[in-house]
Amino acid sequence: SQTIHQWPATLVQPVGSPLSLECTVEGTSNPNLYWYRQAAGRGLQLLFYSVGIGQISSEVPQNLSASRPQDRQFILSSKKLLLSDSGFYLCAWTSGSWGSDQPQHFGDGTRLSIL
Amino acid sequence: AQSVAQPEDQVNVAEGNPLTVKCTYSVSGNPYLFWYVQYPNRGLQFLLKYITGDNLVKGSYGFEAEFNKSQTSFHLKKPSALVSDSALYFCAVRDSPGNTGKLIFGQGTTLQVKP
Repeated sequence: SQTIHQWPATLVQPVGSPLSLECTVEGTSNPNLYWYRQAAGRGLQLLFYSVGIGQISSEVPQNLSASRPQDRQFILSSKKLLLSDSGFYLCAWTSGSWGSDQPQHFGDGTRLSIL
Repeated sequence: AQSVAQPEDQVNVAEGNPLTVKCTYSVSGNPYLFWYVQYPNRGLQFLLKYITGDNLVKGSYGFEAEFNKSQTSFHLKKPSALVSDSALYFCAVRDSPGNTGKLIFGQGTTLQVKP
């Protein structure tokens, strides 16, 4: 069966420090991958998505970047964190080979606090 | 453009009573609709989807949803609520056709089930 892993679960970082959040998927190949941010336990904002290795689409301009160095690995990064980067970050995947009727499956998220 | 709305920020029901969480959508073309549940500090869990076929869709944990094309609605229902159903619920619609698998989420509805 397929599983998705995100780490770390929680992270406290000072303003101006770098960031690297990692997400990996097991049990499938060529997934579509997504990074979301959720503020205040409410709506989801899609940050980035990827349909293949090295292919990154950005949904909103911001202080963050994403990379997909391997088929089942998705990384969210920042060179210098801002206070506004605080939030709950969620990674998700869906099957790329079955088209658009498949649900997305989510990891358990990283709660990022910026001090 | 595709959109989805959840008109209620919070729904309160007594344990054992039926529950309904509302969702309306606006799409061009055939709608692909999804419901998710989120428990505190966890990722979203997929409950059910409507792609085509029977308007009543059954999903996980005893939940079901009714697709109504004329009212452009996809309300989530359960005949008898449990205290453990208390959580944040999201309705989502597939973004424009294609293989990106992107979803557009509603703002979420908090379900509170009281004993």
